[in-house]
Amino acid sequence: DGGITQSPKYLFRKEGQNVTLSCEQNLNHDAMYWYRQDPGQGLRLIYYSQIVNDFQKGDIAEGYSVSREKKESFPLTVTSAQKNPTAFYLCASSTLSGAQETQYFGPGTRLLVL
Amino acid sequence: AQSVTQLGSHVSVSEGALVLLRCNYSSSVPPYLFWYVQYPNQGLQLLLKYTTGATLVKGINGFEAEFKKSETSFHLTKPSAHMSDAAEYFCAVSDNGGSQGNLIFGKGTKLSVKP
Repeated sequence: DGGITQSPKYLFRKEGQNVTLSCEQNLNHDAMYWYRQDPGQGLRLIYYSQIVNDFQKGDIAEGYSVSREKKESFPLTVTSAQKNPTAFYLCASSTLSGAQETQYFGPGTRLLVL
Repeated sequence: AQSVTQLGSHVSVSEGALVLLRCNYSSSVPPYLFWYVQYPNQGLQLLLKYTTGATLVKGINGFEAEFKKSETSFHLTKPSAHMSDAAEYFCAVSDNGGSQGNLIFGKGTKLSVKP
């Protein structure tokens, strides 16, 4: 089955620790995205990538980093510089950007701070 | 810059009643508009989208939405609510000012369905 997988489902971070969220897709999509969801805030774009080895900052990139070494994979690292990381993180992908293209979402990772 | 406003963070209807979730957008270019649904602790699923052509768009699970340019609206409706419709709904506009097609989301409307 084609789709987007995110792991882990729940992730716990200690103070000063970097953690990495995994996102893999087998839809052969070129574009991938990371969103952060907080209650009552909707979704906010962290980073996006349209092609391997290239990515751009979204609206709230501070404290986060990404890589895009393979078309199928777009991991997100939450660094210790992100002071309020507790949120639900959603990965999405789409065929190469057209504004009308549908973004398909993974099941999400919930990050909690110990 | 594009933006989306969803009126009402919570909407409650009785089973069998009309569902109306409101979405207004702001865009300096012809917009592409989307409605997504999210069930608890899950990702988002596309309900429907408007790109060009017919302004009344039909989606999955009996939902439809009408693009009204004069009112800058894209309200979501369903004639008869079902218990399984209880979820959070997000309206989004595509940021086609650049080439990325990034989505700008509203803050969401949580729909409750009473038996």
